[in-house]
Amino acid sequence: GAVVSQHPSWVICKSGTSVKIECRSLDFQATTMFWYRQFPKQSLMLMATSNEGSKATYEQGVEKDKFLINHASLTLSTLTVTSAHPEDSSFYICSAIEGQQNTEAFFGQGTRLTVV
Amino acid sequence: GQNIDQPTEMTATEGAIVQINCTYQTSGFNGLFWYQQHAGEAPTFLSYNVLDGLEEKGRFSSFLSRSKGYSYLLLKELQMKDSASYLCAVGMDTGRRALTFGSGTRLQVQP
Repeated sequence: GAVVSQHPSWVICKSGTSVKIECRSLDFQATTMFWYRQFPKQSLMLMATSNEGSKATYEQGVEKDKFLINHASLTLSTLTVTSAHPEDSSFYICSAIEGQQNTEAFFGQGTRLTVV
Repeated sequence: GQNIDQPTEMTATEGAIVQINCTYQTSGFNGLFWYQQHAGEAPTFLSYNVLDGLEEKGRFSSFLSRSKGYSYLLLKELQMKDSASYLCAVGMDTGRRALTFGSGTRLQVQP
């Protein structure tokens, strides 16, 4: 299957700083990427949908100014958590879909963010 | 709104068969997905149903009834490595293709 690489796997940052997470599709062109957040023992919650070359679509309750998403190319999307706070500590996972017709999404390895 | 229900936890014995149920009530429907997720790892794709009926793939099978808003994942010949969370997810719509996930079922396989 297709491979999606997410980096870093884990990061610890100080409260008030910003953290950038990268999501790359290694062997296919991802027209659409999704960013999810998962708190312990809970399921994945969609944060935003990212389409190459256009602004991301954020889910209700997700602050677009806090979670900056950039999808500058067909193989890379980034999520920047700005002015991070301890309550932003979570597992962030991206997924990517190839082309316009496919439905199967391939997930990255996830990034464990801890804000201290 | 979106509502996807599945049992929180299940326990089964190695070599046995287990069925994990999922019911959904969503504003849109573009297929029903099952993912496996080990602790601290990203989900891995198991199955996709868009039409009613049973899809079989090795030890794993998935069933869908759209009229009942119901799906199940059937795992046969359970192995210890099958201990994981199993996530039921509904495709939102053909345009966005995002997924709405259930809370997941933690399956513990015992010797």
